[in-house]
Amino acid sequence: AQSVTQLGSHVSVSEGALVLLRCNYSSSVPPYLFWYVQYPNQGLQLLLKYTSAATLVKGINGFEAEFKKSETSFHLTKPSAHMSDAAEYFCAVSGDTGRRALTFGSGTRLQVQP
Amino acid sequence: EAGVVQSPRYKIIEKKQPVAFWCNPISGHNTLYWYLQNLGQGPELLIRYENEEAVDDSQLPKDRFSAERLKGVDSTLKIQPAELGDSAVYLCASSFRGNSPLHFGNGTRLTVT
Repeated sequence: AQSVTQLGSHVSVSEGALVLLRCNYSSSVPPYLFWYVQYPNQGLQLLLKYTSAATLVKGINGFEAEFKKSETSFHLTKPSAHMSDAAEYFCAVSGDTGRRALTFGSGTRLQVQP
Repeated sequence: EAGVVQSPRYKIIEKKQPVAFWCNPISGHNTLYWYLQNLGQGPELLIRYENEEAVDDSQLPKDRFSAERLKGVDSTLKIQPAELGDSAVYLCASSFRGNSPLHFGNGTRLTVT
């Protein structure tokens, strides 16, 4: 079985502040982990992925995430928020080294205040 | 490369009517997925295809939902009859193979009145 828990359905930060979106996973087999972003009325776009190589993963738009097996976490961070980062963010897990379909978390809506 | 194309973008129907959604994946992508996304929630898998074979349809409500991918390329998802609770966004995604990143279409927003 595999599952994802995203802590905080809404996060609000000021422009230029640190962004931290939390994700904890559960998987009975080695996981592949992903972060996707969804803008209004659009599909999901891949931000970054962890596939058992480096534990610190860099993605697009200045985002990065760190895989911590001991904490079963894969939190998403960005040093300085930009207004254009306002969107819905989804963490997802795929067990069995990615051979299973993705299971998504319930999402975190990021607001960026000017 | 062209992305995943879905149509229609929006659909409004009355309950008990049938409805169909169409998806054309990225060329060369063997794996195709249909996900359901309710408002304020993450996508939930309905069905996954490897080429033309449905390899995971355990979450598809088979009493009213059906899907096909006859030639291993584009796919249709059908609901008959639709219920009020089916109002949601239906997302199609494709990947080169089962453990590659997913590429999503923009979805079809279904409203059942």
